[in-house]
Amino acid sequence: AQSVSQHNHHVILSEAASLELGCNYSYGGTVNLFWYVQYPGQHLQLLLKYFSGDPLVKGIKGFEAEFIKSKFSFNLRKPSVQWSDTAEYFCAVITYNQGGKLIFGQGTELSVKP
Amino acid sequence: DTEVTQTPKHLVMGMTNKKSLKCEQHMGHRAMYWYKQKAKKPPELMFVYSYEKLSINESVPSRFSPECPNSSLLNLHLHALQPEDSALYLCASSQDTGGYNEQFFGPGTRLTVL
Repeated sequence: AQSVSQHNHHVILSEAASLELGCNYSYGGTVNLFWYVQYPGQHLQLLLKYFSGDPLVKGIKGFEAEFIKSKFSFNLRKPSVQWSDTAEYFCAVITYNQGGKLIFGQGTELSVKP
Repeated sequence: DTEVTQTPKHLVMGMTNKKSLKCEQHMGHRAMYWYKQKAKKPPELMFVYSYEKLSINESVPSRFSPECPNSSLLNLHLHALQPEDSALYLCASSQDTGGYNEQFFGPGTRLTVL
């Protein structure tokens, strides 16, 4: 069965620090990859997505992610975090033959200290 | 309009009540989803509707009954729920279930079962 693992359960950073959140998936076929963010009290929003092409994708709010097929990874990065980036971050995977089933990682809670 | 709306925002119900959650999208999407999310956990897929037909039921108890009256609307009928069913119920939609489309999430209905 497919699975997604996020390496960090809770990350605490100071403002202006750099961020990297790890995400690995287990599936040998073609996948599409997503990072969603859930700010406190708000709904899930798409940060960025990878379908094909350039493995370095840029999303909203200065986030980017790199797809490394050989490592089955899709890590999220941001050079300099802000207090407003405090949120829960979910990596997710979907494959073509699963009827639209989106598989989520367990999530990483990011706390940014002002 | 890239919005998925859900009503009500909050719902408190007793274990013998019958209630319904409503979800609406006007993006012309033909796939709609119900997820359940517990605090600090990722969304768990419950049901998928593709072209108004139920295509995936993730072994959800029969006290949850989905309905898709038309391509824009999705309901979740609730009956004889248990306190452990208290959670945030999310609706999502995508262009179809082909696996290469992002899912847009609504704000959710926070359900409390007493």
